[in-house]
Amino acid sequence: SQTIHQWPATLVQPVGSPLSLECTVEGTSNPNLYWYRQAAGRGLQLLFYSVGIGQISSEVPQNLSASRPQDRQFILSSKKLLLSDSGFYLCACDRVDNQPQHFGDGTRLSIL
Amino acid sequence: QKEVEQNSGPLSVPEGAIASLNCTYSDRGSQSFFWYRQYSGKSPELIMFIYSNGDKEDGRFTAQLNKASQYVSLLIRDSQPSDSATYLCAATGDAGNNRKLIWGLGTSLAVNP
Repeated sequence: SQTIHQWPATLVQPVGSPLSLECTVEGTSNPNLYWYRQAAGRGLQLLFYSVGIGQISSEVPQNLSASRPQDRQFILSSKKLLLSDSGFYLCACDRVDNQPQHFGDGTRLSIL
Repeated sequence: QKEVEQNSGPLSVPEGAIASLNCTYSDRGSQSFFWYRQYSGKSPELIMFIYSNGDKEDGRFTAQLNKASQYVSLLIRDSQPSDSATYLCAATGDAGNNRKLIWGLGTSLAVNP
């Protein structure tokens, strides 16, 4: 089964600073990859998904971007963080459509 | 607007009892349904998934799907304090495409010793 690595586990950043969160997957090839954000007291919000290298679909227009430079690597970035970017960022993957998504341990991002 | 609705709870049950968690969905095209458990401060963990009408059992957990009523439930038998968590229900949208799951806000379950 696949293992999803996310780092860092927690991050505190000032408003206006850049962001780079990385997700890597082991134990599978050609996965579908997802970035979610879970804000306090709110549900899971899909930010981006990718079905292959260089293929990114954006679900929410905002100051975040995603890239997939390698088959099992998914990166979430921002040039300038906003206070509203605070939340719990989760990377997920699955192999085949309609199969369950599995999550990494997440990164808790606080913006000051 | 496609939605998955869950009672936020908290649902409180005594240890050893059956906990019943419910979820309704608005998109009749949804084909697959997932239950995740999320402990406070942790990421969601898959508990069960179900595609067909009826019941699916896995240990102490039973998922029930009724597509005519657009209703999914999760039963937890012999509830343990370690089952205390938030349970998230999710459904596929877009003609069964798993890429865009529709998520409920979760039901908080407290199992009292």
